Amino acid sequence: QKEVEQNSGPLSVPEGAIASLNCTYSDRGSQSFFWYRQYSGKSPELIMFIYSNGDKEDGRFTAQLNKASQYVSLLIRDSQPSDSATYLCAVRYRVRYSSASKIIFGSGTRLSIRP
Amino acid sequence: DGGITQSPKYLFRKEGQNVTLSCEQNLNHDAMYWYRQDPGQGLRLIYYSQIVNDFQKGDIAEGYSVSREKKESFPLTVTSAQKNPTAFYLCASKSVEYDFYNEQFFGPGTRLTVL
Repeated sequence: QKEVEQNSGPLSVPEGAIASLNCTYSDRGSQSFFWYRQYSGKSPELIMFIYSNGDKEDGRFTAQLNKASQYVSLLIRDSQPSDSATYLCAVRYRVRYSSASKIIFGSGTRLSIRP
Repeated sequence: DGGITQSPKYLFRKEGQNVTLSCEQNLNHDAMYWYRQDPGQGLRLIYYSQIVNDFQKGDIAEGYSVSREKKESFPLTVTSAQKNPTAFYLCASKSVEYDFYNEQFFGPGTRLTVL
């Protein structure tokens, strides 16, 4: 059973600080990794994706991937109240004996930025 | 204006009733997906389709049915066999080119409530 694990939170971070969100996954064959932000009652929106070991930066967001440790993280610098949301980690893997791929989502980490 | 539309936004179902959720995309994507999200949970895959006239069961297909007669449309029917259908339903689509490195785009979701 392929799994993606996240701490459910809530994670409370003061405004302007760095928020660190973590995710581990079970399938070593996983190829690509995604972070989605989901506001309450809304659909997920893609924040970052990464598929190579190391760091990938986009504005205030940095995704970090360590395939040996099966660990992916998201750092949010200069946290703003608008960053308060649930962050979903997602991992894409190849379906055995098929050309299709599937995504498994973690249950999400609730982030709260306090003024 | 490209995107994914889902209708209705809110749907109420009586016990023993079948209901159909609509999903339409004009992104020219081959692959389409249906997910279910329960409160405080991640997304769980119900069905997916990589091409017209073909679809595959996901992790929680029991009590659901789909069709893919057109590339743009992937309706989901929640049958009376689904014992606990109250949830937030999300439709998504993606290109199958460079499969592992393309993001899924989500529709706005349908919230289904059983009365």
